[in-house]
Order: sequence, then structure tokens, then C-alpha cells
Amino acid sequence: QSVLTQPPSVSGAPGQRVTISCTGSTSNIGAGYDVHWYQQFPGTAPKLLIYGNTNRPSGVPDRFSGSKSGTSASLAITGLQAEDEADYYCQSYDHNLSGWMFGGGTKLTVL
Amino acid sequence: EVQLLESGGVLVQPGGSLRLSCAASGFTFSSSAMTWVRQAPGKGLEWVSSISGSGGTTYYADSVKGRFAISRDNSENTLYLQMNSLRAEDTALYYCAKDNGYSPTPLTWFDPWGQGTLVTVSS
Repeated sequence: QSVLTQPPSVSGAPGQRVTISCTGSTSNIGAGYDVHWYQQFPGTAPKLLIYGNTNRPSGVPDRFSGSKSGTSASLAITGLQAEDEADYYCQSYDHNLSGWMFGGGTKLTVL
Repeated sequence: EVQLLESGGVLVQPGGSLRLSCAASGFTFSSSAMTWVRQAPGKGLEWVSSISGSGGTTYYADSVKGRFAISRDNSENTLYLQMNSLRAEDTALYYCAKDNGYSPTPLTWFDPWGQGTLVTVSS
């Protein structure tokens, strides 16, 4: 069981906005450590989507945005497209465990 | 273009050993920390181990500490993961990934990732 909790699944219709939460604790997100997000399509390697809570690497559409508050972080996807259907993972550092942690992952379904 | 190519994954018996390799190109390898992340079939991502650019500092997840050893050969631009005392629960796709700095820090993120190499531990 991961120290970063994500909903197993979320869904939305094309064009809608969806959010994926990542809930941690005072030993990770709440301690001020950055949260990063990855997108993974079936059978492929994860790809960095958001780094440093809110920053998008070059080439990532601005439909994707990240935020962080207290012991939680969120990934928002606006103008949902069929091609966004994938698994999404949050990642941060935990000082109690002295290591880097991933959330359990969230499967996004575009209806 | 940064490229990472893992190799070495095979079927191995419980208690056995294996060494994974990750050949890197397209960046100054010795200037970047590197990391191994694994993904069990149908499961999520699990951080395994990280190493600084010089190789002088290493970090391990509790699940592999004392059994796995990360290392690197900066003259060959290659990252390694020596896996000993393998267990069924080590069965996973093992990815290598480039860190965003010279040393792993709490701010570290992983980009890019290789395509992974499959390790299966079974009798």
C-alpha cells in the first residue's frame, strides 16, 4: 500500500474537465516536498507530465496542470480527449521512509 | 536525444541472482543521477534504487535493501542493478530512468525512462 493515495479510476466525457488527487501526509507532500506526475499508456514506459508541482515539460499540452496544497496534490485535465486515456501516477519523497514514492496510480477512462 | 536501453531481464529461480544493465546515450552520463523503478504485472510503479552521478551515493527501497546493489560505469555510460536472493515478489518490469540532477534529492523527478526489461522469478 502506497503512502500516496490516488483514486483507482476516474472518468469523463470528451471536452470535460477531470481531476486526479494524490493524498499524502506530513512526512511527504505535507513536509513541502514537490509532487511530480507521470502518464503511462498500456505497454509503454511512464512519461513525465508535471514536475515541481505545477511545471509542464516541453511538449506537454497546457490542458494538463498540477497543483498542491497541504498534504495533497492534484492533476487537472481540461478539454478531455480520447488520447488522454491512460494511467496517471503521482510521485514525491517521504522522509520517514527515506525514499521516493509513487501513488498507486489512477486509470483515466474517456467515455 | 536521450536514450536509455535496459537489458538482462530473464526467467530466474527463487534465490537466484541477476544483473540488469541500462545503456545510456544522448547526455553527459556522469553528470546525472540515475534510478531503477519497477512495475509488477498489472500493478503500479515502485521506486527501487538511485545512485549519484559519481556513484558514490546510493539509495535503496526497504524491499530490496541488502539484496540489490546499484552501480554505474561512467566510462561505459552504463547503469547496473545487481539482484541477489531473488523472490517471487521481485517479478516485474524494471525501468531505468534519468534523474533531474547530479545527486538524488527530495526534489528529484525521473525523465526520461527506458522501455524496461522483464524479470520473472519462478521455479
